[in-house]
Amino acid sequence: NAGVTQTPKFQVLKTGQSMTLQCAQDMNHEYMSWYRQDPGMGLRLIHYSVGAGITDQGEVPNGYNVSRSTTEDFPLRLLSAAPSQTSVYFCASSYLGQGGKLFFGSGTQLSVL
Amino acid sequence: DQQVKQNSPSLSVQEGRISILNCDYTNSMFDYFLWYKKYPAEGPTFLISISSIKDKNEDGRFTVFLNKSAKHLSLHIVPSQPGDSAVYFCAASLNAGGTSYGKLTFGQGTILTVHP
Repeated sequence: NAGVTQTPKFQVLKTGQSMTLQCAQDMNHEYMSWYRQDPGMGLRLIHYSVGAGITDQGEVPNGYNVSRSTTEDFPLRLLSAAPSQTSVYFCASSYLGQGGKLFFGSGTQLSVL
Repeated sequence: DQQVKQNSPSLSVQEGRISILNCDYTNSMFDYFLWYKKYPAEGPTFLISISSIKDKNEDGRFTVFLNKSAKHLSLHIVPSQPGDSAVYFCAASLNAGGTSYGKLTFGQGTILTVHP
């Protein structure tokens, strides 16, 4: 049982480049989300989805796009990377109504130069 | 504005003793609280939770206490073990009955070190 799989684990980008962080889960969870972790800030919600075709913004959505075409996948797109987007990104999923008991991936460490 | 705060960046305890991690929140509408544990190079893992209708929840060595009037929760680990050394995040959510369950607001984290 793979759980939540994130790729890549590490990425270095130049300012202005674009990329997609991949997230897949095999637990048939309705809810998927992206968080970023920065020193002294905890984890902050970027975007989330409660099912295929449904997405919404979290606390820090600017500079990021998401889509949810299948239950399993929830990619996060950076259209034009900025140094302020240097962070560790976590994808998480759960069944709806699970009380926030999220299953997290192992994270993607992104550096934007 | 940080709605969930963990004011102690780190905590060091001796193996076998009690570890107490604290968390304060400002939004009185939060109605569900959770603790997550994170090891280096891994994602957070769910540890224990508590609903606002309770003031205590216990799971083995881990107990979470909630003081709604003080807007304060704490995690007690007894006895502490070296394998408990990790970063601990508290988190809170709104609208326990709806789909916003997964929308968590996290604290900054506390690094717990348990010495043998």
